[in-house]
Parts: sequence; structure tokens; C-alpha cells
Amino acid sequence: DQQVKQNSPSLSVQEGRISILNCDYTNSMFDYFLWYKKYPAEGPTFLISISSIKDKNEDGRFTVFLNKSAKHLSLHIVPSQPGDSAVYFCAARSTADSNYQLIWGAGTKLIIKP
Amino acid sequence: ETGVTQTPRHLVMGMTNKKSLKCEQHLGHNAMYWYKQSAKKPLELMFVYSLEERVENNSVPSRFSPECPNSSHLFLHLHTLQPEDSALYLCASSQDRTAFNYGYTFGSGTRLTVV
Repeated sequence: DQQVKQNSPSLSVQEGRISILNCDYTNSMFDYFLWYKKYPAEGPTFLISISSIKDKNEDGRFTVFLNKSAKHLSLHIVPSQPGDSAVYFCAARSTADSNYQLIWGAGTKLIIKP
Repeated sequence: ETGVTQTPRHLVMGMTNKKSLKCEQHLGHNAMYWYKQSAKKPLELMFVYSLEERVENNSVPSRFSPECPNSSHLFLHLHTLQPEDSALYLCASSQDRTAFNYGYTFGSGTRLTVV
């Protein structure tokens, strides 16, 4: 059973608008969350992260929101640019996990339309 | 050269072949990882090395054999693979296994096709 779920395989957004990518998790022990971005023929690159002691973290056009009670996080990209077209992965980990494993979602493909 | 470098970028092999994937990092990281990415599935962790010692093997079939001769290099030796092993194989590194505040640095991957 997947502990980290990205229920939208793809998302299409107009350039200049806001892109919202969603991620749900089932393990209440997760306390650190990361977003990665992946272009075709390249490896994922780290984008932004958030600790469970916060509910928001911002870095330029990228903001991650965490709702612990709903076990939900989202990545907002404002404004969306053509270069943002990529696959976005959500990942989570728990400080209680002695293996320090990162648990990954299946990814959401974001397409920015000109 | 900086970052994580994987070779080859593409590999086609028969089910009876033996081949190896190579990963190299010049970041001074102490942990290295092999991941398998199949289409529309989460990344699957295969192996973890910390300070050149294998610390995790996530029930990976023995036809996949990792090797970490030093902290900068990681290999994945392949033999008698099956068509369902066709996937993108990604190598990653991190400062250390416990570095919660840091992401992983990934290589570009090897696209493997087993025929």
C-alpha cells in the first residue's frame, strides 16, 4: 500500500497562472517532506522541503503547504513558467525510521501551456 | 566534474548478458543509493551504501549486485535480467544517510531495456 500518494498523474496549467500539485500521505509518523522536479532524460532535482513543525515554506515562486491533520501537502508555483513543465515527485520521511528511508509518490506531470 | 554522473545513459541487453552500471559523485557525500524508476510508479529504493558499507537491501533479486569500492563510486552489476527489469535506474548521493535537511543529488539515470 502506497504511503505517499500523488493522485493526479498529470496537470495542465496556463502560463502565468498558479500551479497546485497535491500529495497525500498515510503515515502519521512522517515529519519531513520534500518535493523534487524531474525533466525527461535527467535525474530528479531537489526543489523545496518542509518540516512538520511548520505549515508553510516559501522559496521564490515555490511554496509548500503542509496540513498535518489532513495528512496533505501541496506545492504552489506562482506564476507558472514554461520551464516548470516537468514531473514533480513528493517524498516523505520519519525521524523515527532507523533506516532513514525516503518514501516517494508516483509523480505528477505538470504541463505549462503558453 | 561535479554532481553525480551515471554511465551508460542507455543500455540494451539480452537476458543472458552481464553488464554493469556505473555511478560517480564528486560532492564529498558519504551515502550513495540505487533506485529503480518504472513508468508511473514511485521510485523504488534498491540499495543504500553509507561510508562504503551496504546498509540496506530492499529485497532486491540477486540478479542485481551492487558494489561500492570507495565513497565516490557505485556500481550495479546485472546478470540474467528479465524483461520486467527494464526501467530507469537512478543513482543518488547525500551528505549522509541521516541528513534530513538535505535532499538527494541524483544522476541522470541509465535507461535499461532487457530484450
